[in-house]
Amino acid sequence: AIQMTQSPSSLSASVGDRVTITCRASQGIRNDLGWYQQKPGKAPKVLIYAASRLQTGVPSRFSGSGSGTDFTLTISSLQPEDFATYYCLQDYSYPWTFGQGTKVEIK
Amino acid sequence: EVQLVESGGVLVKPGGSLRVSCTASGFTFTNAWMSWVRQAPGKGLEWVGRIKSKTDDGTADYAAPVKGRFTVSRDDSKNTLYLQMNSLKTEDTAVYYCSTVSRYCSGAACYYYMDVWGTGTTVTVSS
Repeated sequence: AIQMTQSPSSLSASVGDRVTITCRASQGIRNDLGWYQQKPGKAPKVLIYAASRLQTGVPSRFSGSGSGTDFTLTISSLQPEDFATYYCLQDYSYPWTFGQGTKVEIK
Repeated sequence: EVQLVESGGVLVKPGGSLRVSCTASGFTFTNAWMSWVRQAPGKGLEWVGRIKSKTDDGTADYAAPVKGRFTVSRDDSKNTLYLQMNSLKTEDTAVYYCSTVSRYCSGAACYYYMDVWGTGTTVTVSS
């Protein structure tokens, strides 16, 4: 199975900060990657699919980039509602696999 | 309104079996690919399995830890997705979410993502 490694596992940031989360695949996955946001006690929500396509309704401060093995989720200006855990997911081959998650906390 | 509602999560003993359900509304379930994702207490997300629509052959794929023990199925007449879990282990304790699987195609490449999620049902495996 393809292993997905996210970094960092957690970070502290302030409102207005630019935040970058990375995800590395153990083998090339083209751009078959999505990013999900999860708040405590809630179901995940898709932010980005196909590495860089913004899901309808997701604020434009979220963006994704990358291809092959290295991917990035960027939040251009962190808002209070963005404090959550973020996961990448590869859909290149089965079994689909998530990264271990990145918890974004308030500094 | 598009909605998914999971049910059936209970406390079950190791080695036991359980079937959880996911009832869909607000969209054409027959055409949808569906998936199950779980989350153990305090842990990250784990993809469990996915089933295609019957028009796309209706087959399922599974994560390694559940392959051979879990079965994803669907009853399109009832707009319901199922997860049959056999030979349950304590490490199967988790919140189980169902989701729709959407597809975006660009040229020859298609990409998949889980865009509508239920609220989850809790399965506890303990003696």
